[in-house]
Amino acid sequence: NAGVMQNPRHLVRRRGQEARLRCSPMKGHSHVYWYRQLPEEGLKFMVYLQKENIIDESGMPKERFSAEFPKEGPSILRIQQVVRGDSAAYFCASSPIPPGATNEKLFFGSGTQLSVL
Amino acid sequence: KNQVEQSPQSLIILEGKNCTLQCNYTVSPFSNLRWYKQDTGRGPVSLTIMTFSENTKSNGRYTATLDADTKQSSLHITASQLSDSASYICVVSFSGTYKYIFGTGTRLKVLA
Repeated sequence: NAGVMQNPRHLVRRRGQEARLRCSPMKGHSHVYWYRQLPEEGLKFMVYLQKENIIDESGMPKERFSAEFPKEGPSILRIQQVVRGDSAAYFCASSPIPPGATNEKLFFGSGTQLSVL
Repeated sequence: KNQVEQSPQSLIILEGKNCTLQCNYTVSPFSNLRWYKQDTGRGPVSLTIMTFSENTKSNGRYTATLDADTKQSSLHITASQLSDSASYICVVSFSGTYKYIFGTGTRLKVLA
């Protein structure tokens, strides 16, 4: 059972371009979370999705950012018209059980390092 | 304000030595506290999960303690190995939700 797969590992974009980050959760996991990590800071929650549904996007900027988790295929975090401040490591995590359970364990991918020039 | 603070920020020890990392939190209502290990360039990996009723939890050479009254936790690493070099992150969740508050981590370096 492969772990959470994220690609690309590194992504370089110029200001104004679009960035697409992909996350394939572990097999059997229908709960996906995206986090952003700025240098010297802790991971910050962005969005929580279940298959085909956005459950909570309260941590995601309302402008330029969107996320989806289609019935087939990976979850996608999309950043339009990137700016330098978007440069960060973006981590995806998945879980097989609904959130809030004491024994819930998140499995993280290796992240995508986005650099905006 | 819900916060998780870790100390020290960084730590260097010799292989074979023990060390203790600290975590103080102000998250309320509290559900559980987790310690993760994050290798450079990788995602965090879970080490321990503790609820408010648990005082201690072990995973091999890693032992986590929790004092829910003082809102403090520690992670003790015994007989450190070079592979223990990583960031150790304390994560606290709100009761009944999936909202996690991540600390900024302690960067541990183990030298031969």
